[in-house]
Amino acid sequence: AQRVTQPEKLLSVFKGAPVELKCNYSYSGSPELFWYVQYSRQRLQLLLRHISRESIKGFTADLNKGETSFHLKKPFAQEEDSAMYYCALISGNTGKLIFGQGTTLQVKP
Amino acid sequence: NAGVTQTPKFQVLKTGQSMTLQCAQDMNHEYMSWYRQDPGMGLRLIHYSVGAGITDQGEVPNGYNVSRSTTEDFPLRLLSAAPSQTSVYFCASSYPASINTGELFFGEGSRLTVL
Repeated sequence: AQRVTQPEKLLSVFKGAPVELKCNYSYSGSPELFWYVQYSRQRLQLLLRHISRESIKGFTADLNKGETSFHLKKPFAQEEDSAMYYCALISGNTGKLIFGQGTTLQVKP
Repeated sequence: NAGVTQTPKFQVLKTGQSMTLQCAQDMNHEYMSWYRQDPGMGLRLIHYSVGAGITDQGEVPNGYNVSRSTTEDFPLRLLSAAPSQTSVYFCASSYPASINTGELFFGEGSRLTVL
C-alpha cells in the first residue's frame, strides 16, 4: 500500500538549532516526493520536490530509497520556519497526492 | 489573482442536514481535488477530477458527492452530514502539465462542524 508516515506530531527547537523533520514512505516503484508547508493563516503551499534537488528557504531533502525516507533538513532554524509541514508522494499518473500526518515545527526564540 | 476560492469558510450543521462546499479556480486548471484535514490524520483525499465531466474517488469518498460540469468549479456535497465529517476541507487544483509534478494550489479551507 502507498503510505507516507511522519512519526513526529510536534518538533520544538530553539532558533539557530538544526532541524530534521522525518518522513518515511511505502511505495512500489520510483516515488516522487514532496514537502508542503502551511504557515499560520496562510494556504498550504509546495516547499520543495525531490526531483528538483533544490534548496528552498534553507531547507533540503534527500530521497533515500534504501531507507525509504525523505527527511527535511535545515542547518539553522529561524522563528519564521514555525509552521505545519507535510510530506507527500504522488500516486500513479493521475496527480493524486498522498499526504503524511503532518509535523508542527515550533522554533523558539 | 483569485486563485482557488472556497466558500463558505465556516459552517455549522446538524446531523442529517445537507450542504455543498463550493470551490472555484480561475487558473484554467484541469485537475481539481478535495481533501479533508483532521488532527493526527493529515490530509486525506476525498474526490478528484482530471477534467470537466470526469470525477473519481480518493481515499475517503463515503458520504460525499462531487460533480465537474465546468473546468472552473468543483463542488463537494454532503448529502446527510454526520459528526464524523467535522473537519477542515481543502480544495486544490493543478495545471494540466503539472499533474505529475506534485504542485497543487490550495484554497484557504472550509471549517465544517457537524453537531
